[in-house]
Amino acid sequence: AQTVTQSQPEMSVQEAETVTLSCTYDTSENNYYLFWYKQPPSRQMILVIRQEAYKQQNATENRFSVNFQKAAKSFSLKISDSQLGDTAMYFCAFTTNLYNFNKFYFGSGTKLNVKP
Amino acid sequence: DAGVTQSPTHLIKTRGQQVTLRCSPKSGHDTVSWYQQALGQGPQFIFQYYEEEERQRGNFPDRFSGHQFPNYSSELNVNALLLGDSALYLCASSRGALGGYEQYFGPGTRLTVT
Repeated sequence: AQTVTQSQPEMSVQEAETVTLSCTYDTSENNYYLFWYKQPPSRQMILVIRQEAYKQQNATENRFSVNFQKAAKSFSLKISDSQLGDTAMYFCAFTTNLYNFNKFYFGSGTKLNVKP
Repeated sequence: DAGVTQSPTHLIKTRGQQVTLRCSPKSGHDTVSWYQQALGQGPQFIFQYYEEEERQRGNFPDRFSGHQFPNYSSELNVNALLLGDSALYLCASSRGALGGYEQYFGPGTRLTVT
């Protein structure tokens, strides 16, 4: 079974500080893609960062970076220099290269509050 | 470049009724996926359409059906609505059979069943 677990329902961080959101997943596939999505109160799901499982190097997008531990099936998101606009729900997701079809599996989300 | 659009934004229906939600994919995209997001939960995959055919389906009953049109837009239909169908319904589009492993989401339709 393909599952995604986010064990932190809610987190808070002071503006300008660093926060790490955790995610673990389970799949028997060897080739897959991992994502972090941000969903602000406006509801629009926005892609934050993507990681290909075959790449050992951790992905980085400006203030956002991941710590991908394939053996541990862990995929955490680090947000540096947190900004008020980072306040949102964050969802970890992955998709596998299965039958040429990209069904996405999502975790239950972590609500991040950035405090001024 | 137009992103993914969905209509309507909000919808209130009575238990037992039927509802149709609409989605227009991002320009250049030909694949549409539908998700149900219950309050406080992550999105759950309903089904995906490519080349006007349903390609795979999640664990949703037959009350949930869909359609894709030649212009790649899509509809989600839900019959015999239940209170538990109240949720945010998200449409996501991607390009090609593999979709580039990246989906672009619409703003969703909030369905309330009373």
